[in-house]
Amino acid sequence: EPEVTQTPSHQVTQMGQEVILRCVPISNHLYFYWYRQILGQKVEFLVSFYNNEISEKSEIFDDQFSVERPDGSNFTLKIRSTKLEDSAMYFCASKEGRVSLTDTQYFGPGTRLTVL
Amino acid sequence: DAKTTQPNSMESNEEEPVHLPCNHSTISGTDYIHWYRQLPSQGPEYVIHGLTSNVNNRMASLAIAEDRKSSTLILHRATLRDAAVYYCIFPGGTSYGKLTFGQGTILTVHP
Repeated sequence: EPEVTQTPSHQVTQMGQEVILRCVPISNHLYFYWYRQILGQKVEFLVSFYNNEISEKSEIFDDQFSVERPDGSNFTLKIRSTKLEDSAMYFCASKEGRVSLTDTQYFGPGTRLTVL
Repeated sequence: DAKTTQPNSMESNEEEPVHLPCNHSTISGTDYIHWYRQLPSQGPEYVIHGLTSNVNNRMASLAIAEDRKSSTLILHRATLRDAAVYYCIFPGGTSYGKLTFGQGTILTVHP
């Protein structure tokens, strides 16, 4: 069964450093998402991406964040200057996009980001 | 954001049925009700979705109230692997399909 993959599984970085989290969505999917989950808290939406542009973003997704689909398979989340509060589990998700109200989102296993 | 209400936690014994309730009184007529779950240390995974009729798949059943203000996820025979946080979600009008997760229901399954 096709699945969403994410690398790395765990990223440790120093405060102020840039990090790039990578995702490979399911190949025929058209909509891509990033969510995050701070330890012990709920899953939070960050951004959705369709047709090579951001379609929706949350208040969390400020100028320090950016997303890109550099080729036909990868979808990346960049944090330019990490803060301690960026420490969280980051999940990538994708969906096929044929019917917006019923499409299932498929989530990756997540990248645990630790900012020291 | 679309609002749902679920109990914080529920417990079950292995091989017994589990009924997980969700209230969604502000749902519109075209909103589908989606259920996802998150196993420990994993990403959320889709369980089931429905609009008006009761729905069944290999994982679970979804019973939707006639007025659509509530629904119940039914696990017919809980296993230890079903221990997870269960989320009831409806997109609430966004066309790009973002999911707004609440706290969900923590399901504990006892051997």
